[in-house]
Amino acid sequence: QVQLQLSGPGLLKSSQTLSLTCAISGDSVSSDTAVWSWIRQSPSRGPEWLGRTYYRDKWYTEYSVSMRTRLVIMPDTSNNHLSLRLSSVIPGDTAEYFCVRGFYGGVFDFWGQGALVTVSS
Amino acid sequence: QSALTQPPSASGSPGQSVTISCTGTSSDIGAYHYVSWYQRLPGRAPKLILYEVNERPSGVPDRFSGSRSDSTASLTVSGLQADDEAIYYCSSYAGVDKFVVFGGGTKLTVL
Repeated sequence: QVQLQLSGPGLLKSSQTLSLTCAISGDSVSSDTAVWSWIRQSPSRGPEWLGRTYYRDKWYTEYSVSMRTRLVIMPDTSNNHLSLRLSSVIPGDTAEYFCVRGFYGGVFDFWGQGALVTVSS
Repeated sequence: QSALTQPPSASGSPGQSVTISCTGTSSDIGAYHYVSWYQRLPGRAPKLILYEVNERPSGVPDRFSGSRSDSTASLTVSGLQADDEAIYYCSSYAGVDKFVVFGGGTKLTVL
């Protein structure tokens, strides 16, 4: 059974950097079939895909256009973790953040429990 | 504003069927067969219930079914049960640039 355990701060101030870590068990961040994504959901809105990383013959990382300048997603193969760093946060980044396993076609088959992140001004 | 449009609410009585729509464009739902649906129960993470329009992951009952016509996808829940009460989100692959887009969610109430 896959488990995705999130850790990170729940409260930040504008302009700070958000760092989240997703501890993966029951699968490998280096899996050659899985795709590991970060998705967030703001209050009263639908989910928003932020970016993904996956390993095939090498590591691939892709970001949504809106996140490209502020977001870094990195795999930690030593600890089987997935990390997120979002710089220069603003109150609009307030959301529940999810670490998610997926596969082809933008399908997300396993979501960890989300982490609520609040950004104050 | 979410990229895919869903009605904010839907309802039905136990045993009835309810259908939830999800409207996109020719760049997402209309272009690809990769439409997925997720169920979010209160206090829980979203759960995949349909992918590739009408494929069910292991363990999802066949009361859940999906379809797609042009740029609109639909989720039908048959034989409504009390524990089907949840928010349902649709998503679609949207090509290399956008990758995936989501709907705003439909809150299903079992009367």
